Amino acid sequence: GAVVSQHPSRVICKSGTSVKIECRSLDFQATTMFWYRQFPKKSLMLMATSNEGSKATYEQGVEKDKFLINHASLTLSTLTVTSAHPEDSSFYICSVGGGTGTRRFFGPGTRLTVL
Amino acid sequence: KNEVEQSPQNLTAQEGEFITINCSYSVGISALHWLQQHPGGGIVSLFMLSSGKKKHGRLIATINIQEKHSSLHITASHPRDSAVYICAVTKETSGSRLTFGEGTQLTVNP
Repeated sequence: GAVVSQHPSRVICKSGTSVKIECRSLDFQATTMFWYRQFPKKSLMLMATSNEGSKATYEQGVEKDKFLINHASLTLSTLTVTSAHPEDSSFYICSVGGGTGTRRFFGPGTRLTVL
Repeated sequence: KNEVEQSPQNLTAQEGEFITINCSYSVGISALHWLQQHPGGGIVSLFMLSSGKKKHGRLIATINIQEKHSSLHITASHPRDSAVYICAVTKETSGSRLTFGEGTQLTVNP
């Protein structure tokens, strides 16, 4: 299966700063990547679908100017949390493997804490 | 009502026990996924099913399309099986996006 990495694994930042999270597909060319966030004891919530070479598709209620997604290559998608606030503290996970009949492969996640 | 529902929410078992986690869904699907999330947060895809039954080691997943129901079984459970097990579906109407159940927290005691 595909190997997916995320960087950083954990980040603590001050309120008002921007944080960039990288998702890399190490052995799979991903035209589509998915970004999720997960609150404690809750299930994953899809934030956006990242499309290589084009704009991301955001889910309803997700601010595209707040969560900037760039998918510049088949192996890298980035999520930037702009002007982070404490309520943005969460666990962010990316996933690749977008075909309807295919398995999904998940990154190890990034735990963001905004002070 | 959630489109994907799992039961039980929490499950505690003794090592060696046979475990069953259930997933029911109320929408048309193209595939159903079973995922495992360990305490550190990493998620592993266990199975993807569109019909029938799949087996991998001590894990067995079944799906009944007519009844809109799937089960994940773990035979000879072990403490290292302790994790959250998540059922997710790709809906016929939603392309490749996953719709998730709330997860089942499994704890296997030695």
